[in-house]
Amino acid sequence: DVKVTQSSRYLVKRTGEKVFLECVQDMDHENMFWYRQDPGLGLRLIYFSYDVKMKEKGDIPEGYSVSREKKERFSLILESASTNQTSMYLCASSLARYSNQPQHFGDGTRLSIL
Amino acid sequence: AQKVTQAQTEISVVEKEDVTLDCVYETRDTTYYLFWYKQPPSGELVFLIRRNSFDEQNEISGRYSWNFQKSTSSFNFTITASQVVDSAVYFCALSDLNQGGKLIFGQGTELSVKP
Repeated sequence: DVKVTQSSRYLVKRTGEKVFLECVQDMDHENMFWYRQDPGLGLRLIYFSYDVKMKEKGDIPEGYSVSREKKERFSLILESASTNQTSMYLCASSLARYSNQPQHFGDGTRLSIL
Repeated sequence: AQKVTQAQTEISVVEKEDVTLDCVYETRDTTYYLFWYKQPPSGELVFLIRRNSFDEQNEISGRYSWNFQKSTSSFNFTITASQVVDSAVYFCALSDLNQGGKLIFGQGTELSVKP
């Protein structure tokens, strides 16, 4: 089974801090994704990556950046955390760019910015 | 543009009732894929099914069944004899060849099954 592991289930940070959310997958997937989930808004794509060192903006990239130095790891960075970034963050991976295989998700990180 | 609509925000049923979750999609492409995911209270999204646009056969897996109708652009999900463990948020999603593996999600339907 595909395993997508997010570094924290719950995280509390302060406004202005630089926050790192880590995601690791163990199935040699090329694609990796970061979403945030808010009540009433569903899942919104922040950033995604099709390969090492590649990144592409999703629908709501403002205030975020990402890093993919190794194929299995995709990091989401909040450069200067703000209270409106309090949310549930979900990482996902899938096989390859045009394979249309399902995305597999991690358990999520509930991030609170105080 | 691609779009997925799950008009039912919340559904509440009593255990053993059958329940259908609706999903309507929009896409201009002839080749596309549809997915259903389950998100239990613990938070992780669990993949349930993938269906491509050329396969309109309905699928049954235990108490779960899916009805794909291209004529109405719908991909509905039915749970037969619902159980409390079915309580979750269910998401329908769409991907086509132009999306490069990205999914377009519906807003989700929160299903509550009461004993």
